[in-house]
Amino acid sequence: DAGITQSPRYKITETGRQVTLMCHQTWSHSYMFWYRQDLGHGLRLIYYSAAADITDKGEVSDGYVVSRSKTENFPLTLESATRSQTSVYFCASSPGQGFSEQFFGPGTRLTVL
Amino acid sequence: KQEVTQIPAALSVPEGENLVLNCSFTDSAIYNLQWFRQDPGKGLTSLLLIQSSQREQTSGRLNASLDKSSGRSTLYIAASQPGDSATYLCAHGSGNTGKLIFGQGTTLQVKP
Repeated sequence: DAGITQSPRYKITETGRQVTLMCHQTWSHSYMFWYRQDLGHGLRLIYYSAAADITDKGEVSDGYVVSRSKTENFPLTLESATRSQTSVYFCASSPGQGFSEQFFGPGTRLTVL
Repeated sequence: KQEVTQIPAALSVPEGENLVLNCSFTDSAIYNLQWFRQDPGKGLTSLLLIQSSQREQTSGRLNASLDKSSGRSTLYIAASQPGDSATYLCAHGSGNTGKLIFGQGTTLQVKP
């Protein structure tokens, strides 16, 4: 039972490059989320998805793009990476709406040089 | 703006002590409140989920309470152990989308 996995776990890239972070969950949860964690800011929501082909912006969505063609996958793409996007990125999933427990992946540590 | 505050930011206690971590929030219409544990360099592990209609939840040595009227939640850890050393985060559900608003966390160190 893999649960929720993220890849890669570590990534170093350069400014201006496109980067895609992968998230896969095996529970068939409807809801999926992307957060970033930064010192001084805590965890902030980037994007979320209520179902396949339904996505919406969170608090800090500028510079990011998501897609969800399949229920189990929710990739996050940085279209043109900037140093300010250096962060730890967490994917999460939840079986239902606002009343449901949310489960987190192990995170991807991204460094933009 | 919805805010979640956790006090203290850091806490150091000797092994065996009972302790309380505090979480306060400004949104009176929260859907739920969730407590997480995060070990250094690791992801978040869900500890307890309290629905907005509930007052408390218990799991082993952990007990979490929720008082919506005062905008507060507490996490009580009984008989603390060095293995409890970690950062504890609280977060509440915002709206019916399930997205979470997080506090900055309390870093706990339990000394043997």
